[in-house]
Amino acid sequence: AQSVAQPEDQVNVAEGNPLTVKCTYSVSGNPYLFWYVQYPNRGLQFLLKYITGDNLVKGSYGFEAEFNKSQTSFHLKKPSALVSDSALYFCAVRDGRGSTLGRLYFGRGTQLTVWP
Amino acid sequence: GAGVSQSPSNKVTEKGKDVELRCDPISGHTALYWYRQSLGQGLEFLIYFQGNSAPDKSGLPSDRFSAERTGGSVSTLTIQRTQQEDSAVYLCASRSGTSTEKLFFGSGTQLSVL
Repeated sequence: AQSVAQPEDQVNVAEGNPLTVKCTYSVSGNPYLFWYVQYPNRGLQFLLKYITGDNLVKGSYGFEAEFNKSQTSFHLKKPSALVSDSALYFCAVRDGRGSTLGRLYFGRGTQLTVWP
Repeated sequence: GAGVSQSPSNKVTEKGKDVELRCDPISGHTALYWYRQSLGQGLEFLIYFQGNSAPDKSGLPSDRFSAERTGGSVSTLTIQRTQQEDSAVYLCASRSGTSTEKLFFGSGTQLSVL
């Protein structure tokens, strides 16, 4: 069975400091991993994905995520947080074994607050 | 259109009534998803359409929920005999095909069942 865990409901960080939003996953086959962001009163937007290749993936708005197979983790990171990064972040996974397995499993979301 | 369009943006209904939620995906996108977002519950998968394949209905919470996709484009999610626990934001997303993994989400329909 596939699942995603985001252990922190909230993350608070000061502007300019590095941020990390944690995600762990469980999937039967090879994981396809994603991060989406939801700004207030807006739809979810794609940030980045890991399918294969380099474990460090770079995405939009200066975000990056590191795939760690042994720890089954895909933590989202940014070296220097901005107030405008404050939003709800979702990690998602799907089983990469077959094209028919299109269902994406999302975590419960982590509310990131960056204060000035 | 330029993005995924959902209507209505807000729907207030009385318990026991039926509702229909509409999703217009990005033109040419073959895959379409419905998710439900409840406070503190994250995104709950409901149903997935891919081209002409049989939809994956495994996430529909009860037989009161159904969805169809006409002509491979517009999709309608129907909830019959609504209950208060159906109150949530219903999100639609589309994807261009199996060669890309990026989902494009609509702004959602906020459903309130009184």
